[in-house]
Amino acid sequence: QSVLTQPPSASGTPGQRVTLSCSGSNSNIGSNSVHWYRQVPGTAPKLLIFRDSQRPSGVPDRVSASKAGTSASLVISGLRSEDEADYYCSTWDDILRGWLFGGGTTLTV
Amino acid sequence: EVQVLESGGGLAQPGGSLRLSCTISGLDFSASPIHWIRQSPGKGLEWVSTISGPDYLMFYVDSAKGRFTISRDNSNNTVYLQMNNLRDDDSAVYYCATVEAGGYADQFQYWGQGTVVTVSS
Repeated sequence: QSVLTQPPSASGTPGQRVTLSCSGSNSNIGSNSVHWYRQVPGTAPKLLIFRDSQRPSGVPDRVSASKAGTSASLVISGLRSEDEADYYCSTWDDILRGWLFGGGTTLTV
Repeated sequence: EVQVLESGGGLAQPGGSLRLSCTISGLDFSASPIHWIRQSPGKGLEWVSTISGPDYLMFYVDSAKGRFTISRDNSNNTVYLQMNNLRDDDSAVYYCATVEAGGYADQFQYWGQGTVVTVSS
């Protein structure tokens, strides 16, 4: 069971907006930046969002993220079939002195 | 272009050892933290170990402490993960990841394609 909690699945129809959540605690999300990764099964993960809300070059602006307290959210607007993937949140934990990943959310479009 | 290449995976018996390598090109290697992250079949991502850039700080997930050792050779742009006393639950795809000239708590910007470790008798 992950220290960072993500719902195991989410779904939407093309064009819709979907929000994926990630819940933690004061020693991790509450104290450090949250990063989001996207993984198509069978391939390596890719950085989707860094430092809570920053998009790397090449990530479209229909992907956004935010953080409030000990929770973070990833929002994908204008859903497309190619958005189908697993999405992971991640952050550093000051007490464990290590990195955490959420259990991942499988998005179905 | 940054390239991350893992190698060294394979089949090992329970209690055996493997050494994984991660060679990175296209960035300031000596200033960059390097991480190992694994993924067991059908499961999520699990961080395993980190070695920081200039100051060589090392961190491990609890299940790896005392069994795995991370090290780096800046002259060869390579990081190693020595894995001893392997267990069945160490079977996974092992990914190497980094961020250019970042801190050990910065995002995993670049990832390799992974190397497969199978522990089985």
